[in-house]
Amino acid sequence: GDSVTQMEGPVTLSEEAFLTINCTYTATGYPSLFWYVQYPGEGLQLLLKATKADDKGSNKGFEATYRKETTSFHLEKGSVQVSDSAVYFCALTADYGNKLVFGAGTILRVKS
Amino acid sequence: DTEVTQTPKHLVMGMTNKKSLKCEQHMGHRAMYWYKQKAKKPPELMFVYSYEKLSINESVPSRFSPECPNSSLLNLHLHALQPEDSALYLCASSQDGAGVYEQYFGPGTRLTVT
Repeated sequence: GDSVTQMEGPVTLSEEAFLTINCTYTATGYPSLFWYVQYPGEGLQLLLKATKADDKGSNKGFEATYRKETTSFHLEKGSVQVSDSAVYFCALTADYGNKLVFGAGTILRVKS
Repeated sequence: DTEVTQTPKHLVMGMTNKKSLKCEQHMGHRAMYWYKQKAKKPPELMFVYSYEKLSINESVPSRFSPECPNSSLLNLHLHALQPEDSALYLCASSQDGAGVYEQYFGPGTRLTVT
């Protein structure tokens, strides 16, 4: 079945450091890929998405590129802030249905 | 407007109580979802409604009963819950059931079963 693997956390960075959170997937067909962020005590917010190979999703300084050849969708940000501290979920939906398959989530802690 | 609202924000109920969770969206979306999220885990899909019809039930116990009165509203009726059902319950919606459409989540209802 479809699955998503994320790097384990927590990831602890100093403010203004470069962020990479790795995400790889296994899926049949051509999935759409998403990054969601969950701040403490809140629901999930869509951060960015990509629906086909080589698409780059971007939002609020975060970027991720849909790499079909490496089945990856790594999240990057050039300079993190304390306010970016949250849990980040990589997810996919198969092109034939509406079930979101989530990775385990990666906790990000940014220190000032 | 990309808002999904959920009420109540918090709910404490005993194992013999009956309660309901409510979810509303006004984005014209035709697919709506219930998820359960335990601490430090990703959300787990429970139910999917597509065009107001139940399309997916992920083998959820019958003590959870979903209802979709119209295209904007989604309810989750709770009865005879167990302490292990304590969790954050998230509602989401998407334009329709096609996989390319992103799901928008509400803030959740934090449920505690005593």
